[in-house]
Amino acid sequence: SQQGEEDPQALSIQEGENATMNCSYKTSINNLQWYRQNSGRGLVHLILIRSNEREKHSGRLRVTLDTSKKSSSLLITASRAADTASYFCATDTGFQKLVFGTGTRLLVSP
Amino acid sequence: GAVVSQHPSWVICKSGTSVKIECRSLDFQATTMFWYRQFPKQSLMLMATSNEGSKATYEQGVEKDKFLINHASLTLSTLTVTSAHPEDSSFYICSARAQVLSYEQYFGPGTRLTVT
Repeated sequence: SQQGEEDPQALSIQEGENATMNCSYKTSINNLQWYRQNSGRGLVHLILIRSNEREKHSGRLRVTLDTSKKSSSLLITASRAADTASYFCATDTGFQKLVFGTGTRLLVSP
Repeated sequence: GAVVSQHPSWVICKSGTSVKIECRSLDFQATTMFWYRQFPKQSLMLMATSNEGSKATYEQGVEKDKFLINHASLTLSTLTVTSAHPEDSSFYICSARAQVLSYEQYFGPGTRLTVT
């Protein structure tokens, strides 16, 4: 079953602009993770935010978590063409497995 | 570090045959491995969780007799798609967790299966 829904499903922006993706989930979590997937490839782990954290930064990435609303957002600042990929949130509910959201397809045009 | 490989990266097989996909953790011991399936432009769906030396735990709706999972060592898990049909065509991705209490999973590059 799918835990999270992401919006938008697709996002098209110009290089240099910021990209924001949102993830909503249904049950309590231990942590929430964001992954990137280039077309036809495996997943790359981007960032993990624990349930007791509200915001986390890593380079051009900023992740927020609102457990009261069961939602998270991923912000990519100053986007580049190389950021073009699908982005997935995944929730760890503490039962050893990740449940992935529906994903956002990001297209960054030069 | 923390590299996971999959073999083969792509495979084409005929209906009715079986296909084995390997997932290896190259530089760490994986106490737990996970198998996911992904259809085009869709998300990853967890198929099963396997712990070394024990039987895999399958998600609801996944046929354990069709998708055989073996986790014989701390660095190798295999997924065998038995009597494959065209609807089994998909992208199969494995991941590995190094420690029971570790949050992080390391993903393999995936295997594209096409059943003709």
